[in-house]
Amino acid sequence: EAQVTQNPRYLITVTGKKLTVTCSQNMNHEYMSWYRQDPGLGLRQIYYSMNVEVTDKGDVPEGYKVSRKEKRNFPLILESPSPNQTSLYFCASSLSRGSYNSPLHFGNGTRLTVT
Amino acid sequence: AQSVTQPDIHITVSEGASLELRCNYSYGATPYLFWYVQSPGQGLQLLLKYFSGDTLVQGIKGFEAEFKRSQSSFNLRKPSVHWSDAAEYFCAVLNAGNNRKLIWGLGTSLAVNP
Repeated sequence: EAQVTQNPRYLITVTGKKLTVTCSQNMNHEYMSWYRQDPGLGLRQIYYSMNVEVTDKGDVPEGYKVSRKEKRNFPLILESPSPNQTSLYFCASSLSRGSYNSPLHFGNGTRLTVT
Repeated sequence: AQSVTQPDIHITVSEGASLELRCNYSYGATPYLFWYVQSPGQGLQLLLKYFSGDTLVQGIKGFEAEFKRSQSSFNLRKPSVHWSDAAEYFCAVLNAGNNRKLIWGLGTSLAVNP
């Protein structure tokens, strides 16, 4: 089954404790992206990757890091989480960026709480 | 700058009633338009899309949307809502220029009364 898998689904952590949210897709997609979703602010893109070893900032990259060492994986790293990073995070992938014929496939989300 | 406006933050309808969710976009060229649905506890799923051709497009789950260039709108409709349609709905426009970025609306939350 074609899917984007995020882990964990829920995460509660404390300020400053480094964490990683994993994302994996099994569709051989070149493009992967991270979004955060906050009430009243909709979906905001954090980082994206056009292919292996190619990553770029989205609209709200501060406080986040990503890596794309393999095509299928695109982890999101919070080196020193802060309470304002409490949010619902989504990973998404598609064949290529902005492809009309290849819509985004989303993971089921990771709800992060930073205390 | 390109933008997408979903004027209704929350909508409540009764099961079996018709539904229309509004989406207005601002984009200079012919837009690529999308509607996604986010069911509770899940990621977003594509409902339908439009670029050219017939301005009334059919999607999954019995949804349809109509593109109206004169009104810069791409409203989502369903003739008879089911309780399982309760979800968050997002409209998006694709910037088909060099950066090919998806511009998202803020979403409309749909509640369905039994």
